Amino acid sequence: RKEVEQDPGPFNVPEGATVAFNCTYSNSASQSFFWYRQDCRKEPKLLMSVYSSGNEDGRFTAQLNRASQYISLLIRDSKLSDSATYLCVVTLTDSWGKLQFGAGTQVVVTP
Amino acid sequence: DAGITQSPRHKVTETGTPVTLRCHQTENHRYMYWYRQDPGHGLRLIHYSYGVKDTDKGEVSDGYSVSRSKTEDFLLTLESATSSQTSVYFCAISEDNQETQYFGPGTRLLVL
Repeated sequence: RKEVEQDPGPFNVPEGATVAFNCTYSNSASQSFFWYRQDCRKEPKLLMSVYSSGNEDGRFTAQLNRASQYISLLIRDSKLSDSATYLCVVTLTDSWGKLQFGAGTQVVVTP
Repeated sequence: DAGITQSPRHKVTETGTPVTLRCHQTENHRYMYWYRQDPGHGLRLIHYSYGVKDTDKGEVSDGYSVSRSKTEDFLLTLESATSSQTSVYFCAISEDNQETQYFGPGTRLLVL
């Protein structure tokens, strides 16, 4: 079983719509959580950290559910520029700096 | 954007040949990492460095070695390339908090 699992998608989303997807992690000792964004043939870039109480950054909302061991990302009012692969990232309490990456969820926003 | 460059950006090589990839940073960050990314897999850590001459193995280190003689440079060497090492290689750096990592543009390596 993979440490971090994501639905690969693609999630096809009309422009202006809302899309949400989850990521599950297997290790209950996981400490920190992030969403990275990766455009086609580009490097991953940090989108946002995920805090226990949930957090928003503009049109993006991230949630953490420790009991069920998943994090979610919701994108409101989708833009064409939101088309990308979204990587779920988890760190472990006893493994500083070592990020566990999911394989990513592809989002395609269509006009 | 963080000042990270990787060279070469693309390389085609033959099985059995040595290959060295270079990561160069201008941010003076202490921590540097090498990952590989393959379809269906998340990025997987090959090796990392927590200072000059201080390195350690990641989860997929077999067949790879690294060196860091200067803060700004982190080299990844494939001693004898194999077709299974065909991949996209990303270098990353991080500040002291060790968690937010910034990635270089990647190197696409094809081993024939």
